[in-house]
Amino acid sequence: GENVEQHPSTLSVQEGDSAVIKCTYSDSASNYFPWYKQELGKRPQLIIDIRSNVGEKKDQRIAVTLNKTAKHFSLHITETQPEDSAVYFCAASRGSQGNLIFGKGTKLSVKP
Amino acid sequence: GAGVSQSPRYKVTKRGQDVALRCDPISGHVSLYWYRQALGQGPEFLTYFNYEAQQDKSGLPNDRFSAERPEGSISTLTIQRTEQRDSAMYRCASSLGVGGSMPYEQYFGPGTRLTVT
Repeated sequence: GENVEQHPSTLSVQEGDSAVIKCTYSDSASNYFPWYKQELGKRPQLIIDIRSNVGEKKDQRIAVTLNKTAKHFSLHITETQPEDSAVYFCAASRGSQGNLIFGKGTKLSVKP
Repeated sequence: GAGVSQSPRYKVTKRGQDVALRCDPISGHVSLYWYRQALGQGPEFLTYFNYEAQQDKSGLPNDRFSAERPEGSISTLTIQRTEQRDSAMYRCASSLGVGGSMPYEQYFGPGTRLTVT
């Protein structure tokens, strides 16, 4: 079955710096890769996703890139702000199944 | 519009009791998923439905766990003879559709925090 590895497990940056979180997946049939942000005590919130028919997607300060050959995808946050502090989860899914397989999460801390 | 809702938000039960956790998906969402999330970990898939049909229950830990969605809307996850290891956050998610080659976005509910004493 699918296995998703996520790195780093913790990341600390200064406000205004960029943050990059990387994930690898094992199932070449996976074709959907969402990213969720989870603040303490809250539900996971979908912040961006990418499908296998594109290599990059951007939404304001957030971008995701996908390398299907290498089976890895990354989340890029630019101009980080203290409110970006949270745990971020990557996930992978196959279109025929739909259930998400999650990475173990990255705790991002943005220091003002 | 209203998001995914779950009830109860917190449930404390004694070992050996049965519990039923409820999920009310976003109106019109065809697919409904159950996950379990341990503290500090990502959600772990349990089972999912398209309409009222259970499509995949491979993530259910054992036969004490079952789920149903009889009318294709609200779903109930039932845990029989609860054990302390069942203590976790149980989350429900729903998505708009089914079919095609790509999944739809999944939106999560607030979860039910289950504590088995």
